[in-house]
Amino acid sequence: SQQGEEDPQALSIQEGENATMNCSYKTSINNLQWYRQNSGRGLVHLILIRSNEREKHSGRLRVTLDTSKKSSSLLITASRAADTASYFCATGASGGSYIPTFGRGTSLIVHP
Amino acid sequence: KAGVTQTPRYLIKTRGQQVTLSCSPISGHRSVSWYQQTPGQGLQFLFEYFSETQRNKGNFPGRFSGRQFSNSRSEMNVSTLELGDSALYLCASSLTGQEFREQFFGPGTRLTVL
Repeated sequence: SQQGEEDPQALSIQEGENATMNCSYKTSINNLQWYRQNSGRGLVHLILIRSNEREKHSGRLRVTLDTSKKSSSLLITASRAADTASYFCATGASGGSYIPTFGRGTSLIVHP
Repeated sequence: KAGVTQTPRYLIKTRGQQVTLSCSPISGHRSVSWYQQTPGQGLQFLFEYFSETQRNKGNFPGRFSGRQFSNSRSEMNVSTLELGDSALYLCASSLTGQEFREQFFGPGTRLTVL
C-alpha cells in the first residue's frame, strides 16, 4: 500500500490564489520530498525537507513537516496557470531503507 | 548537463512478448531507479541499481528485471508481458543511493500491451 497519501485528490483554483496540498505517511522517515508532474511526463523535484526540519521555503513554495502527526503540507502562493500539474509527496523511510514510496498525488488545476 | 534520457518513448507490444527499456542517467549519477506508474496503483518503485548492483527491490514479480552497466546506463526488462503491465515506466537518477534523496526523472516510456 502507498505510504504517502495526498489530500485533496483534486484541487481547482483561480490564478493568483494559494493552493495547499497535504500529505500523510505511516512510518518514521529520513526525509520527505515533493515532486511535480506535468501530464504524462517525468517528475520534477520541488523540495526536500528532512525529518529534523519543520518548515522550508523555495520561491513560491512553502513546505511544512509535522513528524508527530506524520504529515506534511505544500503551499503554492500566488498560483499561475503554469502550476497546473499533479503534485506528489515521497518519503524515504528511516533506518537506512532506500525504498521510496510515493502518494497518489493531488491534481491541481489553475484557471487563468 | 543533459538530463535523464529514456528510450524508446512509446512502445506497443502484445501479451506474452518481452520488452527492454533503456535509461541513461545524468552524467556522474551512479544510482538509477525504476518506477511503474499506472492510474490504478500510482507510482510504484521497481528497483534501484548502484554501481552495477541491484541494491533495492520493490514488490514486483520476477518478470521484471534490470541491470546497470559500468557507465551507469540501465536497462529494464519485462518478460511474458501481461495487459496489466501497460504503464508509464519512469527512470530516475541520483548522485548516490545511500538514502532516498532528490531524484531526477526521465520523460518515461509509455508501454501499451495489447
